[in-house]
Amino acid sequence: DIQMTQSPSSLSASVGDRVTITCRAGQTMTHYLNWYQLKPGSAPKLLIYGASNLQSGVPSRFSGSGSGTEFTLTISSLQPEDFATYYCQHSYSNPYIFGPGTKLEIK
Amino acid sequence: QVQLQESGPGLVKPSETLSLTCSVSGYSISSGHYWGWIRQPPGKGLEWIGRIYHSGRTDYNPSLKSRVTISVDTSKNQFSLKLSSMTAADTAMYYCARDLAGDSYGQFDFWGRGTLVTVSS
Repeated sequence: DIQMTQSPSSLSASVGDRVTITCRAGQTMTHYLNWYQLKPGSAPKLLIYGASNLQSGVPSRFSGSGSGTEFTLTISSLQPEDFATYYCQHSYSNPYIFGPGTKLEIK
Repeated sequence: QVQLQESGPGLVKPSETLSLTCSVSGYSISSGHYWGWIRQPPGKGLEWIGRIYHSGRTDYNPSLKSRVTISVDTSKNQFSLKLSSMTAADTAMYYCARDLAGDSYGQFDFWGRGTLVTVSS
């Protein structure tokens, strides 16, 4: 299995801040890396697919970059609705593996 | 807009088999794509369980393969999960989702809200 790590595991930030979350894979997966936002009581939301493609309907303050084994999710200017938990997921091979998550909290 | 909704029992006894159904609206399963199941134990991360293609081809997480069966009913536009020999470790929120493997990067673009399954006697 390809193992995934995320850093930081939690993050406190303020509205308007720029934040970056990093996801690392145990082996190269080219661009087969996706990012999701989870909030309690809501369906998970796809933000970024293929490492850098913005899902339709997702605000442009979200962006993704990277390839190979290191990927980043950046939120350029935090909004109140962005406080949530974020997960990366590789889709390179079976089994798909999710990262352990990054909880973004209000400072 | 594609919508998915999970249904099934919220409480399962140890050693029993869990049966969940995902009803899809706004898109015909027969048209294509994979359809998958993901779970999240309380306080833990997400785990991919497996998926089914509209034709019936399946892929399972090797860690669960011996206990998992995913099936599809195109006439009802639904797909289902069966997980046998349930234990407390299987207590989790169970999500269904559309998987774009083969058509894009294997991302899950539409998800259900999830259904909480507790294993307890």
